[in-house]
Amino acid sequence: ETGVTQSPTHLIKTRGQQVTLRCSSQSGHNTVSWYQQALGQGPQFIFQYYREEENGRGNFPPRFSGLQFPNYSSELNVNALELDDSALYLCASSLEGRGGTEAFFGQGTRLTVV
Amino acid sequence: DQQVKQNSPSLSVQEGRISILNCDYTNSMFDYFLWYKKYPAEGPTFLISISSIKDKNEDGRFTVFLNKSAKHLSLHIVPSQPGDSAVYFCAASDSGTYKYIFGTGTRLKVLA
Repeated sequence: ETGVTQSPTHLIKTRGQQVTLRCSSQSGHNTVSWYQQALGQGPQFIFQYYREEENGRGNFPPRFSGLQFPNYSSELNVNALELDDSALYLCASSLEGRGGTEAFFGQGTRLTVV
Repeated sequence: DQQVKQNSPSLSVQEGRISILNCDYTNSMFDYFLWYKKYPAEGPTFLISISSIKDKNEDGRFTVFLNKSAKHLSLHIVPSQPGDSAVYFCAASDSGTYKYIFGTGTRLKVLA
């Protein structure tokens, strides 16, 4: 059984650019959630994908978008990067698209916007 | 509006003693609570969870207590080990939604 893997682990981008982060969910999991963790804060929910459909969204602007593929892997896309987008981006997979189940996290992608 | 609060940013405990990490929440709709541990340069690792129909859940050295009337939960680690040194996050959700709300974390340091 493979765990949640994210790529890349680190990334440096310039303000205004676009970025794509990738996540492979744990084997057998059909739900992927993305979180943003700023320094000194807890993870903040961005959105969740369940069976290739967006299943809920946090308080993030539309320039944060995502995809889930038939194999349940997922992408997070951020357009028009801003300095405040610098953070650790975490992907979590779980078995069903609802609360009440444990989510398992990847190691994260550290994004720095300069 | 911080719905999940961890008011102690850090905690130091002697090896072998009990570590108690606390978490408060404000949303009475929350019915599922989790604790995660995070080491530097790693993602959060699931530790233990509790449903609102219980007031205690135990797994080895880790026990989570839930006091619904006080909207408070705590994680007890007994005995504490140096390898437990990490940042601990509590998280909450309601079973009708899809997202976890995390606290800001407590950094635990277990002294040898």
